[in-house]
Amino acid sequence: DVKVTQSSRYLVKRTGEKVFLECVQDMDHENMFWYRQDPGLGLRLIYFSYDVKMKEKGDIPEGYSVSREKKERFSLILESASTNQTSMYLCASSLPQGSLGTGELFFGEGSRLTVL
Amino acid sequence: RKEVEQDPGPFNVPEGATVAFNCTYSNSASQSFFWYRQDCRKEPKLLMSVYSSGNEDGRFTAQLNRASQYISLLIRDSKLSDSATYLCVVRASGYSTLTFGKGTMLLVSP
Repeated sequence: DVKVTQSSRYLVKRTGEKVFLECVQDMDHENMFWYRQDPGLGLRLIYFSYDVKMKEKGDIPEGYSVSREKKERFSLILESASTNQTSMYLCASSLPQGSLGTGELFFGEGSRLTVL
Repeated sequence: RKEVEQDPGPFNVPEGATVAFNCTYSNSASQSFFWYRQDCRKEPKLLMSVYSSGNEDGRFTAQLNRASQYISLLIRDSKLSDSATYLCVVRASGYSTLTFGKGTMLLVSP
């Protein structure tokens, strides 16, 4: 089974702190994604990556950055956390759409971040 | 217009009932369609892909109407374990990212 592991299930941080959310997948997937999910707003894409050292902005990249130094690991960084970044953060991975697969997303269990 | 729209519900149905959800999408160039299921406080998981000819997986039937740009999910003989939020998901041609609807909540009661 595909396993996507997020390092922290629950975090509480203070405004202005730097926050790292780590995600590791064990299926050698090329694609990795970071979403946030908020009540009434659904899942929104923050950043994604098609390959090592590559990154693309999603729909709401402001206030976030990412790092993909190894294929299996995709990190989300909040340089200076703010209260409006309190949310559930979901990491996902997939094979590319096409002959290699359907592009199905496999999600981690999520990291619930509270910024005070 | 929102890219993928769903009725948020909740749909409250008794066990054994048949329930249907619809979803509309705005991008006529969209090529791939899916239903994901998300249990309370859990991550989303793929329920089924939606093919042009329609497809069935046990009690679940998914259909696509490209002319009207909507996708449907029919659940027959509802079980308590079907209680979840159902997310309609669309991928535009040439892109690898998915666009998620906000989900429809289903509550199945005894």
